[in-house]
Amino acid sequence: DVKVTQSSRYLVKRTGEKVFLECVQDMDHENMFWYRQDPGLGLRLIYFSYDVKMKEKGDIPEGYSVSREKKERFSLILESASTNQTSMYLCASSPDRFEQYFGPGTRLTVT
Amino acid sequence: RKEVEQDPGPFNVPEGATVAFNCTYSNSASQSFFWYRQDCRKEPKLLMSVYSSGNEDGRFTAQLNRASQYISLLIRDSKLSDSATYLCVVKPSGTYKYIFGTGTRLKVLA
Repeated sequence: DVKVTQSSRYLVKRTGEKVFLECVQDMDHENMFWYRQDPGLGLRLIYFSYDVKMKEKGDIPEGYSVSREKKERFSLILESASTNQTSMYLCASSPDRFEQYFGPGTRLTVT
Repeated sequence: RKEVEQDPGPFNVPEGATVAFNCTYSNSASQSFFWYRQDCRKEPKLLMSVYSSGNEDGRFTAQLNRASQYISLLIRDSKLSDSATYLCVVKPSGTYKYIFGTGTRLKVLA
């Protein structure tokens, strides 16, 4: 079974803090993704990566950056957390062109 | 117009009923299609991929209509445990991106 893990299920941070969300997959997938999910808006793509050290902006990259130094790990960084970044963050991985597998999500609250 | 559109529901159906959801997509170059299930406060999980010829997995049947640009999901003999949000996902060719609908909520009632 594919396993995608995320470093935290729940996280509370203060405005202005730098926040790191980690994602690890164990199936040697090329592609990894970060989404946020908000009620009524569905899943929105923040960034994705199709290879080590390669990244591309998704639909809402502002205020975020990513790092992929190893194939199995994809990190999302909130440079200076703001209250409008309170959300559910979902990481996913996929082999090329096929279905995505999601991690359990991190519910981030910024106060 | 949204790239992928779904009726948000909720669809309230009794146990044992048959229920169908449609999802329309705007990009005619779309290549891959999926249905995901998402339980409250959990991650989406793949329910089934959708193939051109249609496919069935137990009580679930998925169909693709490229001419009209929609996919459908049929659930037969609904169970209480089928209550969830069903997400339609489309992947256009030539891109790494997956486009998600906002989901259709299903409630199966005892």
